[in-house]
Amino acid sequence: QKEVEQDPGPLSVPEGAIVSLNCTYSNSAFQYFMWYRQYSRKGPELLMYTYSSGNKEDGRFTAQVDKSSKYISLFIRDSQPSDSATYLCATGTASKLTFGTGTRLQVTL
Amino acid sequence: DVKVTQSSRYLVKRTGEKVFLECVQDMDHENMFWYRQDPGLGLRLIYFSYDVKMKEKGDIPEGYSVSREKKERFSLILESASTNQTSMYLCASEDRGNTDTQYFGPGTRLTVL
Repeated sequence: QKEVEQDPGPLSVPEGAIVSLNCTYSNSAFQYFMWYRQYSRKGPELLMYTYSSGNKEDGRFTAQVDKSSKYISLFIRDSQPSDSATYLCATGTASKLTFGTGTRLQVTL
Repeated sequence: DVKVTQSSRYLVKRTGEKVFLECVQDMDHENMFWYRQDPGLGLRLIYFSYDVKMKEKGDIPEGYSVSREKKERFSLILESASTNQTSMYLCASEDRGNTDTQYFGPGTRLTVL
């Protein structure tokens, strides 16, 4: 079993839709939770990070962590074509992140 | 803004060649990482370094070595390239301040023929 599981998609939604991206992890010692966005042929860029259970909001993006069920989510409101990318979840302890395989998102006009 | 640069965006090499991939960061970060990214496998850690001349093996170090002679530069070396090392290679630099977050370079797509 992988330490971090993420549905690879692809996920296709119309512009304006609410997108839900999810990961599960197996190690209860993991303390850091991050979402990276990766455009085609580019390196991942940090989108959001959190250390605790609960929600963290930044503009159209909300990261949610449920440590009790080892479940992390990213919600995108009012999705735009520019949100089309691969989204990677990452979790772990200090200096040792484990990444999901990424979910490819396509937002269509 | 943190900037992580990698020496090449695309590289084509032949089997058996020695390959050097260079990474430079400009934020005085102690930690630097090399990953490879393959479809369906995600990012896998090859090596990381937490200080000059210090290195630690990651999950898949076989066939690779690294060098960190200066704090800002971390090199990945393929001693004798093989076709199964065709991949996207990503360098990252870590902020050990408040966030422990990793910042990635643009990647080098290496093809070994």
